[in-house]
Amino acid sequence: RKEVEQDPGPFNVPEGATVAFNCTYSNSASQSFFWYRQDCRKEPKLLMSVYSSGNEDGRFTAQLNRASQYISLLIRDSKLSDSATYLCVVNRGAAGNKLTFGGGTRVLVKP
Amino acid sequence: EPEVTQTPSHQVTQMGQEVILRCVPISNHLYFYWYRQILGQKVEFLVSFYNNEISEKSEIFDDQFSVERPDGSNFTLKIRSTKLEDSAMYFCASRERGGPYFGPGTRLTVL
Repeated sequence: RKEVEQDPGPFNVPEGATVAFNCTYSNSASQSFFWYRQDCRKEPKLLMSVYSSGNEDGRFTAQLNRASQYISLLIRDSKLSDSATYLCVVNRGAAGNKLTFGGGTRVLVKP
Repeated sequence: EPEVTQTPSHQVTQMGQEVILRCVPISNHLYFYWYRQILGQKVEFLVSFYNNEISEKSEIFDDQFSVERPDGSNFTLKIRSTKLEDSAMYFCASRERGGPYFGPGTRLTVL
C-alpha cells in the first residue's frame, strides 16, 4: 500500500457545484496533514492544514478521520479558478521531519 | 509577504557535471526541505534539514547529493555528477510549525 494515496481524477465539476475527494494514508503514527494546490508547472501552494476537529476556510472544508486513516477536502461553490491539482501531504510524526505527498487529484471546473 | 526564493529558475547542464541549486528560505523558519518533481509525476521528498543537520533523507538522496546552509540564510542542494534521470523541477521549502512554503523551483535539464 502506498504511503499516501489519492484518486488522480480528473473530477469534472460544473461551476458553482460542490466537489469532495479523499486521501488515504498508511502510517497510523502520522501527526499532521495538509492540503496543497498545484497549478501546471508551478510550485505547490499551501491551501490549508487539516485539524482533528475539521476546519473550514471560506469555501474549503477539510476533515480528518483517524480511525479510517483518511483526510478529505470539500470545495463549495466551485470557481473556474479552482481548477488545479490538489495534493495531500502527510507528516510522519513529531520525531520525523518527512512530509510525504500524494500523487494529487486533478479538478477541472467548467462553465 | 515573505517567500522562499530559488535561483536559478532554469539550469541546463551536461551529464556528469556538478550543479548547485540555491534557495533562500523564509527568515524565521527552522525546517528546510528539498523536493523534486519529474515532469508529470508526483512531488518526491529528497531531504529535510533542521538545526544545521540533515534530519531525514530519502533513498533518492544518495552520495551524489549534499545540502548545506553555508551562511545562515542560503540553503543549497549540490548534485555532484548529474545523470539524465536527475532532470526534474527541484523545489526548496521551509516551515516554522505548519505546512511548508515552497519556492518557485529550479528546472534542471541534464543533457
